[in-house]
Amino acid sequence: DAGVTQSPTHLIKTRGQQVTLRCSPKSGHDTVSWYQQALGQGPQFIFQYYEEEERQRGNFPDRFSGHQFPNYSSELNVNALLLGDSALYLCASSRGGYTEAFFGQGTRLTVV
Amino acid sequence: AQSVTQLGSHVSVSEGALVLLRCNYSSSVPPYLFWYVQYPNQGLQLLLKYTSAATLVKGINGFEAEFKKSETSFHLTKPSAHMSDAAEYFCAVSRGGTSYGKLTFGQGTILTVHP
Repeated sequence: DAGVTQSPTHLIKTRGQQVTLRCSPKSGHDTVSWYQQALGQGPQFIFQYYEEEERQRGNFPDRFSGHQFPNYSSELNVNALLLGDSALYLCASSRGGYTEAFFGQGTRLTVV
Repeated sequence: AQSVTQLGSHVSVSEGALVLLRCNYSSSVPPYLFWYVQYPNQGLQLLLKYTSAATLVKGINGFEAEFKKSETSFHLTKPSAHMSDAAEYFCAVSRGGTSYGKLTFGQGTILTVHP
């Protein structure tokens, strides 16, 4: 059983560019959450998708947006990248948002 | 609002010694509490969770944690440290219902295990 898979594993972008990160949830899971983990910090909740809609959102600007597809996979989009967006982006999946979250390996984004 | 405070950003123990990682939480509603472990360049792995059943929770790899409502604490312990326990540990809290999956994490504690 494949767990949560994220792509790409590493990414380097330039300030002002846009980036798309992808996540496939664990089999049987229908809810996807995204977290940002800056160096030396704990993960911070960005948003959660369920039934192709954003159900909850953390304290992140509108530059951060997402999408969930009918197969439950999800994308995180970040526009107008800032140096401060450099972080490990983690995807977590669960069933209905009611079960514990399983995390992927993350995408390391570096903005230069 | 919920928050988590992990006391001690770095903890160092000798192999075979007791591991104690401290976590205090703040929550306006009965919380759900979790401990996750993160190895270098990897995602988070769930060690254990408290969901209002038994206050002493046993997890994987010999870890356990005790929920103490009066102290708003959920400290993680392991009787005997192993070299493979060296990693970063995160305490997290969430509300119930559809907010169960929205985790608020602490800053993390890096555990070093000396031979």
